[in-house]
Amino acid sequence: ETGVTQSPTHLIKTRGQQVTLRCSSQSGHNTVSWYQQALGQGPQFIFQYYREEENGRGNFPPRFSGLQFPNYSSELNVNALELDDSALYLCASSPEITDTQYFGPGTRLTVL
Amino acid sequence: AQSVTQLGSHVSVSEGALVLLRCNYSSSVPPYLFWYVQYPNQGLQLLLKYTSAATLVKGINGFEAEFKKSETSFHLTKPSAHMSDAAEYFCAVSGAGADGYNKLIFGAGTRLAVHP
Repeated sequence: ETGVTQSPTHLIKTRGQQVTLRCSSQSGHNTVSWYQQALGQGPQFIFQYYREEENGRGNFPPRFSGLQFPNYSSELNVNALELDDSALYLCASSPEITDTQYFGPGTRLTVL
Repeated sequence: AQSVTQLGSHVSVSEGALVLLRCNYSSSVPPYLFWYVQYPNQGLQLLLKYTSAATLVKGINGFEAEFKKSETSFHLTKPSAHMSDAAEYFCAVSGAGADGYNKLIFGAGTRLAVHP
């Protein structure tokens, strides 16, 4: 059984640019959550998608947006990148909303 | 509001010694609690979870944690540390939002070093 996968592994962007990160959920999982982990900190919840709809959001500005597709894979889009957006972005999937979340390896984003 | 506090950002033990990583939580509802481990340049791996069944939870790699409601604690232990246990450990509480979503609220993490 394939676990959660994320692409790309690393990414370097400059301030003001836009970025798209991708996540493939584990087979049979319909819920995807995204987290931002800044260096030396615990992950912070960005938002959650359930059956293609955003059903919860953390304290992140609207320039952080996402999508979930019919196969339950997901994208995280960040517009107008800022230096503070440099972080590890983690995707997690779960069979249902209330179930345990299983994490992918993350995408390391560096904003210069 | 739910929160997690991990006491000690760095813990160092000798190989073969007891590992104790501390986690205290705050929750207005019966919590679901988790321990995740993160190896360098990797994502988070689930070690164990508490979901209101047995208060002593056994996880992978010989780790276990005990839920103590009276102390609002969920400390992680392992009787004998191995060099491969060196990693960052995160305690998390599951917090349901008003919209019915389910987010994890993490502590700041504890970096475990194991020396020969």
